[in-house]
Formats: sequence, structure tokens, C-alpha cells
Amino acid sequence: GIQVEQSPPDLILQEGANSTLRCNFSDSVNNLQWFHQNPWGQLINLFYIPSGTKQNGRLSATTVATERYSLLYISSSQTTDSGVYFCAVAAGANNLFFGTGTRLTVIP
Amino acid sequence: EAQVTQNPRYLITVTGKKLTVTCSQNMNHEYMSWYRQDPGLGLRQIYYSMNVEVTDKGDVPEGYKVSRKEKRNFPLILESPSPNQTSLYFCASSLTWNQPQHFGDGTRLSIL
Repeated sequence: GIQVEQSPPDLILQEGANSTLRCNFSDSVNNLQWFHQNPWGQLINLFYIPSGTKQNGRLSATTVATERYSLLYISSSQTTDSGVYFCAVAAGANNLFFGTGTRLTVIP
Repeated sequence: EAQVTQNPRYLITVTGKKLTVTCSQNMNHEYMSWYRQDPGLGLRQIYYSMNVEVTDKGDVPEGYKVSRKEKRNFPLILESPSPNQTSLYFCASSLTWNQPQHFGDGTRLSIL
């Protein structure tokens, strides 16, 4: 299957700081999604972004498919941003492979 | 309200006793999928379904069965559960395979 590596594995931020999370993948993909798992375990879809750039409020994401990576930017972080961020990829209508996530802790 | 509903949310059972985890979505989505989440291993896909009567194996299908007789429902069946299937299970759906996936709240299974 496709290998998905996320970095950093853990990140601690002061409230108000900005951060960049990275997702590298080993093969060409045409499906890439970012998810946030909150402290209660719920998984929320943040972006469907197989290529290009999207923004949603304080969050934005960029995928450079030709170079096999995606970035998730979080600006002016808030305590509610805490949790684990997952990147997931697929090549065609096949298995969706998840990275092991970046655990973000935002301190007040 | 648009949602993916899983039941039960928690279950403790014993080895070998057949169980079914139900998943239902009310968004008329074609694509549905099951995942398991284990510490250190992240989320892994068990089975997925592109549409009614179409199912395919994911990364870790052994020990599981699924069916897709209707568009809204995608149950996960453990015919003879074993302790290594103790995990947190998620069902997800999307309009098609290349659209954002929406997840249920999860089912925590403990097999003793």
C-alpha cells in the first residue's frame, strides 16, 4: 500500500501561534484528505485536497501532488484546535491509507 | 441533521460470539467504509463499498464481513470475534469515492 508519513508526530503550541503540519506520501494519489480527531475521539473532515490550495477560516491546506506532499497550516491557534491531525490518501477508487497523525496540544 | 450513525457505541463481548455493528447514513451517499483505529497503527481500512451490492476489501479485511443491500446501511459483521479485534471502529461515508468522508462517532469493541 501507499506509505504516508506525517510530521512532526507531536507539537505543543502557545495559543495564538501558527503551525505547519506535513504529510508525505510514497505514490501518486488522486484522493487526499485531512482530518481532525478531537479529544472526544470524533473525526472531522477538514479538507479534500488532492491538489492545489484551499482555505477554511484559520485553516488552509496545500497539496503538491507532483512532489508527493501536502501541508496543513493552522493560524492563530486556539485550545479547541488540540487533538490529532490525520492525512489520508488513495490512488483511485481504492484503499484509503492514513498516516499515524500529528498530535497537537495548544496551551492557553 | 446529516449524519453517520453507528450502533452500538460500546460493546464488551466474548471470543466466538457473533456480533454486528450497524452503520447508517442519511445523506444518500454512494460510498461507505469501515476503519479500525489502534494505538500506534493509526486508522486502517477494513472494507469499503462504492455503491449498493458492491463491496471491496481494504487493508485489513481478515475476520470481518460486510454487506450493502441498501444505500443507507453498511453493517460490519464479526462472525467469530477474537481478542485481536478489540479496537475502536469507525464507519464513514461520502457522496462518491473522491469526495470528503464523514465519520460516525465510533464503536469501541472489547473482545475477551
